[in-house]
Amino acid sequence: ILNVEQSPQSLHVQEGDSTNFTCSFPSSNFYALHWYRWETAKSPEALFVMTLNGDEKKKGRISATLNTKEGYSYLYIKGSQPEDSATYLCASKYNFNKFYFGSGTKLNVKP
Amino acid sequence: DAGITQSPRHKVTETGTPVTLRCHQTENHRYMYWYRQDPGHGLRLIHYSYGVKDTDKGEVSDGYSVSRSKTEDFLLTLESATSSQTSVYFCAISETGDNSPLHFGNGTRLTVT
Repeated sequence: ILNVEQSPQSLHVQEGDSTNFTCSFPSSNFYALHWYRWETAKSPEALFVMTLNGDEKKKGRISATLNTKEGYSYLYIKGSQPEDSATYLCASKYNFNKFYFGSGTKLNVKP
Repeated sequence: DAGITQSPRHKVTETGTPVTLRCHQTENHRYMYWYRQDPGHGLRLIHYSYGVKDTDKGEVSDGYSVSRSKTEDFLLTLESATSSQTSVYFCAISETGDNSPLHFGNGTRLTVT
């Protein structure tokens, strides 16, 4: 069992605030790092897939970075909106296409 | 959206009864996974499949078995359900390749009384 950790567990911000979350993972035999957005009563949806050290991905106001040498990834949300409220999951991919998930960061954006 | 269907969507069963959950995909993806979601644990891998009749255990496989006789179907069986198996179960699929994301089904809520 590989330990993927996310922090914080939950976050409450005001509309317009910028925020970031952390995902840490074992770097041995690492293949890829995924970020997923999970809204209540829905299924997780992929935001980013990153594989290379130093990778940066951006989608609108959301961006992510990857450090494979030290085993961490950051997810940034600029100018949070109420519709950004969701749980954000990271998952790390290892040998044999196995994915291990963190427990998620639950974001609540207040109008 | 990826074509993934989980059935049933909800099930209530009694302790000691067998239960089978089905995941059906129309994407012809090689990899299929079963996860369970519990408060404070995120998603935990139960079993996964890397091809027809090729399966392997995940982190929480005790009490569960799987079968994949066709590319499109991945079955999860609880041979004798226990209350600790009350959970929401998600099926996911992915293609080969490090850049391939997981695509999830809508989940099955299982309650064992």
